[in-house]
Amino acid sequence: DTGVSQNPRHKITKRGQNVTFRCDPISEHNRLYWYRQTLGQGPEFLTYFQNEAQLEKSRLLSDRFSAERPKGSFSTLEIQRTEQGDSAMYLCASTPGTGAYEQYFGPGTRLTVT
Amino acid sequence: TQLLEQSPQFLSIQEGENLTVYCNSSSVFSSLQWYRQEPGEGPVLLVTVVTGGEVKKLKRLTFQFGDARKDSSLHITAAQPGDTGLYLCAGDLRDTDKLIFGTGTRLQVFP
Repeated sequence: DTGVSQNPRHKITKRGQNVTFRCDPISEHNRLYWYRQTLGQGPEFLTYFQNEAQLEKSRLLSDRFSAERPKGSFSTLEIQRTEQGDSAMYLCASTPGTGAYEQYFGPGTRLTVT
Repeated sequence: TQLLEQSPQFLSIQEGENLTVYCNSSSVFSSLQWYRQEPGEGPVLLVTVVTGGEVKKLKRLTFQFGDARKDSSLHITAAQPGDTGLYLCAGDLRDTDKLIFGTGTRLQVFP
């Protein structure tokens, strides 16, 4: 399967714990995006990378959130000191070009903070 | 403020009926995409429209981009239970490098 993959698919954690999610984009895709989606809503942009450079972060991304794409391939999204409001589906998408055009999404990581 | 409004939010129909989903904005988009998402999965790209007035067909699905590139519609002919899912439009704003997603339309087709 050469699509976008995300791990883990599900994560249950207690409030205050740190969690890290991984995204492996389609190989040779330059751009990688992270989104958050809550129940009944469309995905909301969090941040994106062009190769290894993080080019934009949403105001939704508080100081507790950090994302990396160290070698321009896979990316990680870490949430420190999780809060119940962080419970959501975290989606990753990649595109081959240098624009936001035609994004290919992974299956997502469902985070539940208890 | 939601940049992209979709209507209706929910649609429940019988197999064989036709339906139209609308995606509206006051902003101009460089391109607009439609995705379908099933529970517990990521959105799957259905189509991209780029030119104002463009119409694209994908089997029983017809997508149209408004002349002013501010709105779009998705028409499904003879809906089938396999069409059930969350339909999302997403716009690529000029001079930005991110997609703005609509509020979504949840479609349920009963056999």
